[in-house]
Amino acid sequence: GESVGLHLPTLSVQEGDNSIINCAYSNSASDYFIWYKQESGKGPQFIIDIRSNMDKRQGQRVTVLLNKTVKHLSLQIAATQPGDSAVYFCAEIRHSGGYQKVTFGTGTKLQVIP
Amino acid sequence: NAGVTQTPKFQVLKTGQSMTLQCAQDMNHEYMSWYRQDPGMGLRLIHYSVGAGITDQGEVPNGYNVSRSTTEDFPLRLLSAAPSQTSVYFCASSYWVGETQYFGPGTRLLVL
Repeated sequence: GESVGLHLPTLSVQEGDNSIINCAYSNSASDYFIWYKQESGKGPQFIIDIRSNMDKRQGQRVTVLLNKTVKHLSLQIAATQPGDSAVYFCAEIRHSGGYQKVTFGTGTKLQVIP
Repeated sequence: NAGVTQTPKFQVLKTGQSMTLQCAQDMNHEYMSWYRQDPGMGLRLIHYSVGAGITDQGEVPNGYNVSRSTTEDFPLRLLSAAPSQTSVYFCASSYWVGETQYFGPGTRLLVL
């Protein structure tokens, strides 16, 4: 069936190192993808998105890569900081009838070691 | 802008009680939605609205009602709470369908 999942439930990274969080999806009929960051006790916060007609997009310290051939999405965080500690979700968004069907992964917890 | 706001932050109910979770946004977004978040299951869509006066069901609508009398507000009603509705509820909004959704801080609901 359709699914959006994450390879690693928990990722521990040393402060200053780069982090890579991965996501696999199974539905190729999607419009775009979003990475969200969710800190404890808070709602998901938009980080970066990428349209299905792109393969790379960069933001401030973050880069999202989309490989449609293998249906894989990744989030790269450069120079990881303690404030980056959170759960990261990938989300697949596509139009379905009159609404946007959003499928969220279960999340990867990023732990930054000082 | 305040963005998306939700009240209350936390609520305890007894089985059978009713309550309304409030959601408001000041970004003039047409699209609003309600999700519930449960451990190991990600976010699941309960109800959504594409504009004032228009609502529809999402993936898990049973036990919940919504209305959209204004662009700004999108309350979620539990008519008769059940323990299975214990969850964290998030309201989200976006300018239109297919655009990035912005989430509120969530309401933590415990049904005893």
